[in-house]
Amino acid sequence: QVQLVQSGAEVKKPGASVKVSCKASGYTFISYDINWMRQAAGQGLEWVGWLNPDNGETGHAQKFQGRVTLTRDTSIKTAYMELSSLTSDDTAVYYCARGSGLFRAWGQGTLVTVSS
Amino acid sequence: DIQMTQSPSTLSASVGDRVTITCRASQSISTWLAWFQQKPGKAPKLLIYAASNLESGVPSRFSGSGSGTEFTLTISSLQPDDFATYYCQQYKRSPPWTFGQGTKVEIK
Repeated sequence: QVQLVQSGAEVKKPGASVKVSCKASGYTFISYDINWMRQAAGQGLEWVGWLNPDNGETGHAQKFQGRVTLTRDTSIKTAYMELSSLTSDDTAVYYCARGSGLFRAWGQGTLVTVSS
Repeated sequence: DIQMTQSPSTLSASVGDRVTITCRASQSISTWLAWFQQKPGKAPKLLIYAASNLESGVPSRFSGSGSGTEFTLTISSLQPDDFATYYCQQYKRSPPWTFGQGTKVEIK
């Protein structure tokens, strides 16, 4: 079955960077985009960006311009999201999801806490 | 960007009630709309895609309708497992993908 397994919770200081991983199994990794969303406590879902694992092409929401880097390692079927210059506003659960707009499979979520 | 607006934000209902949630898009999205259910501490779960298509394994008490800018999610007879937060999401053509702000279905 399709599975996306994310890395564990992170605690970072303001100004630092965080890198979250998303390991895929149960399907051909390069055949589906990976998207990243986030959700602050008690809030809705916010789209962060997308990655084409086949050719490495990426895109992201305007608000993350210059701060987000999406990469992948096809040899281990893993996608990564790195977010830099963290502030308390980046405290949220980050999700990866498979698909090009329609998200049938999601990772379990990774809590990123930014605190001094 | 396409804005998605859900109503109501919170809904109090009893087991067995018929429940309807509305989602409006800021521009036409044809039927490029999905509905998700989310429970505390869990990832969203896809219920409906293409506005009215039931995802495999989802109970038939869930249904979706609409096109263009106005959409509804209906639960025909609310069950205890259905108390959760529901989100609509548009996926017309290309990113940015956008979500409604959510509707929390609470026990009355």
